[in-house]
Amino acid sequence: AQSVTQLGSHVSVSEGALVLLRCNYSSSVPPYLFWYVQYPNQGLQLLLKYTTGATLVKGINGFEAEFKKSETSFHLTKPSAHMSDAAEYFCAVSDVTNTDKLIFGTGTRLQVFP
Amino acid sequence: DTGVSQDPRHKITKRGQNVTFRCDPISEHNRLYWYRQTLGQGPEFLTYFQNEAQLEKSRLLSDRFSAERPKGSFSTLEIQRTEQGDSAMYLCASSSRLAGKDNEQFFGPGTRLTVL
Repeated sequence: AQSVTQLGSHVSVSEGALVLLRCNYSSSVPPYLFWYVQYPNQGLQLLLKYTTGATLVKGINGFEAEFKKSETSFHLTKPSAHMSDAAEYFCAVSDVTNTDKLIFGTGTRLQVFP
Repeated sequence: DTGVSQDPRHKITKRGQNVTFRCDPISEHNRLYWYRQTLGQGPEFLTYFQNEAQLEKSRLLSDRFSAERPKGSFSTLEIQRTEQGDSAMYLCASSSRLAGKDNEQFFGPGTRLTVL
């Protein structure tokens, strides 16, 4: 069975500092991996995804993530945090069967201080 | 197209009542998913439709829950005899698995259910 672990339920950074949100996955098949962001009382918005090809993927709002098979990781980074980045972030793996349903981690709440 | 829409956005009900939620997917998407998100947790898969066929149901979907997608367009999720443990955000997502495209799911804003 596939699973996702997000280390750190809360991360706090200063505006302008590096953002690093950790995600490790477990999958018996080559995974499709996703990062979603959720603002209060809203649905989920896709930040970026890895399916095949280049292991460093760039997403919206300056975020990027690197797929590392040897470490079973897909950590999310952003060089310089902005106040508007404060939100809940979810890592997910796609169950690559006929359904492609998403299996989510428990989320990391990012706080950005001025 | 304005994306995935869900109605209502908020629902407060008393324990034992029935509730129904609606999801309108992106028009050309043939795949539709329901997820449930409780406080402090990530979304959990409930059920999946391909066109009008319900092809997978999670063990989370007890017999009090039923979902439909008539004619492969909008979908409804009904909860009968609601319990306080049903309080959660119910999220709908849609996608289209076309040749050469991966399955990116687009989420609606969710319906927040509170059972008193």
